Amino acid sequence: AQSVTQLGSHVSVSEGALVLLRCNYSSSVPPYLFWYVQYPNQGLQLLLKYTTGATLVKGINGFEAEFKKSETSFHLTKPSAHMSDAAEYFCAVSRTGNQFYFGTGTSLTVIP
Amino acid sequence: GAVVSQHPSWVICKSGTSVKIECRSLDFQATTMFWYRQFPKQSLMLMATSNEGSKATYEQGVEKDKFLINHASLTLSTLTVTSAHPEDSSFYICSARAVQGPGELFFGEGSRLTVL
Repeated sequence: AQSVTQLGSHVSVSEGALVLLRCNYSSSVPPYLFWYVQYPNQGLQLLLKYTTGATLVKGINGFEAEFKKSETSFHLTKPSAHMSDAAEYFCAVSRTGNQFYFGTGTSLTVIP
Repeated sequence: GAVVSQHPSWVICKSGTSVKIECRSLDFQATTMFWYRQFPKQSLMLMATSNEGSKATYEQGVEKDKFLINHASLTLSTLTVTSAHPEDSSFYICSARAVQGPGELFFGEGSRLTVL
């Protein structure tokens, strides 16, 4: 079975500071990995995904994530936080493309 | 990216009534759609996988008779909450994949159900 762990249910950063949201997965084989963002009362929007190829993946809004197989991690980063980045972030894994497993989410607060 | 639309966004109903939520893929055909339930400040819980032209596959613990899912066409899936009760109040989100394989899920905007 696959599972996703997001360390830190709440993360606060100052505007302009580095954003780091952690995601670790457990899987017998490397899965496909995704980061989604959710704004209040809205659905989820894809930030970025890793399927194959380059392990450093760039997404929308300046976010990027690096797949590290040895660490079974897929941490999300952004060099400089913006107020509009405040939202809930979900890491997800999928092996088949059908069954997606979501982490419990990390709420990002950006302090002006 | 592909667009998935849900309707209604908000619905308030009386206890005992049934509510239907629609999920449409606007610019692609989705043979498979997924229905999730999300409680406040929590992650998404997969309720069922909706397959076009066949019965939905429900996750363990999800009542099939309570949450009726119909996938009548390649662009429409519906979730009907039957005889709704206050404990059914939640945020329901649908999603769909545009391609086979490891394509990402595209999510609807979500539907907030409040049962009085």
